[in-house]
Amino acid sequence: GAVVSQHPSWVICKSGTSVKIECRSLDFQATTMFWYRQFPKQSLMLMATSNEGSKATYEQGVEKDKFLINHASLTLSTLTVTSAHPEDSSFYICSARGRGGAFNEQYFGPGTRLTVT
Amino acid sequence: GENVEQHPSTLSVQEGDSAVIKCTYSDSASNYFPWYKQELGKRPQLIIDIRSNVGEKKDQRIAVTLNKTAKHFSLHITETQPEDSAVYFCAASNSGGYQKVTFGTGTKLQVIP
Repeated sequence: GAVVSQHPSWVICKSGTSVKIECRSLDFQATTMFWYRQFPKQSLMLMATSNEGSKATYEQGVEKDKFLINHASLTLSTLTVTSAHPEDSSFYICSARGRGGAFNEQYFGPGTRLTVT
Repeated sequence: GENVEQHPSTLSVQEGDSAVIKCTYSDSASNYFPWYKQELGKRPQLIIDIRSNVGEKKDQRIAVTLNKTAKHFSLHITETQPEDSAVYFCAASNSGGYQKVTFGTGTKLQVIP
């Protein structure tokens, strides 16, 4: 149980275009989903937190108009990188947390490798 | 916000030896400390976690200790094996708000056969 999927696993796009990444919880209801970005040889940096049916909360320094997050249902969150540029090339990972308990574990998706040319 | 520091950034050990990774955190409200193992290009995998009401936890060759007073926690891997080679991240979280997790900077562990 507790499986999180991401689609696509990798994507190459041209500079100036937009890319959508999907994160799905396959066997549980994800009340909260997190989006991380990881540059090579670096740690995971939290970009934003999204709760179903409400606006995402962005971390300081993350442009909300550039990284659009939608958490339309309890099993799906999407991250859209708008007007992508080469510096947006990175490994994007989502995680999801379900209901109940004080310390809910996060379940990570497999990540999406974005390359902007 | 929370700040998690991790040392060392790289660690090489001979197969069979022990490896220790240390982390410190800044927010006294943090009460959940997971450790993740990440292989190249893969998702982080939870290997062990500890809550603030416990000082030590062990799972086979892996153990974690927590000192809340000093705000530091450590990962201990005994009898290391080549398959333990990976990047390890410590993290800290609290039960308030969205329970977001703050990651340390990572330690690249290499186990030499």
